[in-house]
Amino acid sequence: DAGVIQSPRHEVTEMGQEVTLRCKPISGHDYLFWYRQTMMRGLELLIYFNNNVPIDDSGMPEDRFSAKMPNASFSTLKIQPSEPRDSAVYFCASSKGQRNQPQHFGDGTRLSIL
Amino acid sequence: DQQVKQNSPSLSVQEGRISILNCDYTNSMFDYFLWYKKYPAEGPTFLISISSIKDKNEDGRFTVFLNKSAKHLSLHIVPSQPGDSAVYFCAASTGNQFYFGTGTSLTVIP
Repeated sequence: DAGVIQSPRHEVTEMGQEVTLRCKPISGHDYLFWYRQTMMRGLELLIYFNNNVPIDDSGMPEDRFSAKMPNASFSTLKIQPSEPRDSAVYFCASSKGQRNQPQHFGDGTRLSIL
Repeated sequence: DQQVKQNSPSLSVQEGRISILNCDYTNSMFDYFLWYKKYPAEGPTFLISISSIKDKNEDGRFTVFLNKSAKHLSLHIVPSQPGDSAVYFCAASTGNQFYFGTGTSLTVIP
């Protein structure tokens, strides 16, 4: 079975540019999560969806961040405009059900904002 | 504010010995706990979990212990193998979302 697929794996761009990260969850999973990993804070939940509907976006750091899930097999996380402090590894994860269900992670997108 | 804390950023253990990774949490409403393992350039992969109604769960070489009164979780790996070298994240859940620690990097020395 294909796991969670994220693209691109690496993104280097200049400050002020728009960045779009993509995620394809595991087929049949109804929950999708976006995380950001930093050394200081570990894995932080940014937003999660249930059946394509955003449920909790309280972890989104600023209005510069937005996420969409137009269908069950695709989600995007967009940063506009990007800033150097957004540099981190961004992970997407999916699960079937939520309560007490392990989340399956993609391999992440390493984002560098110059 | 970190609700899940892993106070040891790194740990080195000799092959064949026991590795003990620790995790503390602050929210008494957490009722499900997990450990994830992460290799470089890969996403975290689920390792083992425990419900708050238990105090121990075992899966092969991996055992997770939960001390609810101390709000403390630990992962024991026995015997440790070089392939266990990775970053280990603990996570806790109230059922609505998971909260992760900052990770402990384990190095198993051959």
